[in-house]
Amino acid sequence: KAGVTQTPRYLIKTRGQQVTLSCSPISGHRSVSWYQQTPGQGLQFLFEYFSETQRNKGNFPGRFSGRQFSNSRSEMNVSTLELGDSALYLCASADRTRGEQYFGPGTRLTVT
Amino acid sequence: AQSVTQPDIHITVSEGASLELRCNYSYGATPYLFWYVQSPGQGLQLLLKYFSGDTLVQGIKGFEAEFKRSQSSFNLRKPSVHWSDAAEYFCAVGEMEYGNKLVFGAGTILRVKS
Repeated sequence: KAGVTQTPRYLIKTRGQQVTLSCSPISGHRSVSWYQQTPGQGLQFLFEYFSETQRNKGNFPGRFSGRQFSNSRSEMNVSTLELGDSALYLCASADRTRGEQYFGPGTRLTVT
Repeated sequence: AQSVTQPDIHITVSEGASLELRCNYSYGATPYLFWYVQSPGQGLQLLLKYFSGDTLVQGIKGFEAEFKRSQSSFNLRKPSVHWSDAAEYFCAVGEMEYGNKLVFGAGTILRVKS
């Protein structure tokens, strides 16, 4: 089975812009979660989608949003980018609740 | 709130030596526990997990971990470290009541001396 894929792998944006990141889960997995990884804050949970519904949300401002499509692919959007949004954004998929999560390679976002 | 503590930020071991990475968690219910490894510039790879049952769990690449409820610990071990094990290791606890959410420790960077 192919693993979790994320596109793009690298992205450079300017403050104030918005960005959309994409994640394709492992085939058959209906749960997709997003995490932000920074040197200062470590790995932090953003949100989880399951069967197109947001099921859980971390402590991030409303500028961070996401959605999931009927094929389980997910996108996350960050509006009005700030320098502090520079991070590695990781997507993970699972086949069920309380299942182990498998991570993609991440999207490295740099905000200048 | 749930939390995970990895007390060692860096650890250096010689190739062939044994390894133990420490992890302590704070969680009210029966925890779902995980160890992941991350190589530079890469995503996270699942090494092993504990959901229930036998408290000693085996994972990939020769790693094992032991769940000790009385100590709220889930330490990762390997009897003989290889140079390719150099990476960052993350312990995580799953908040699974409402879905799949992982709370991660700060990570331990493993360096292997030849």
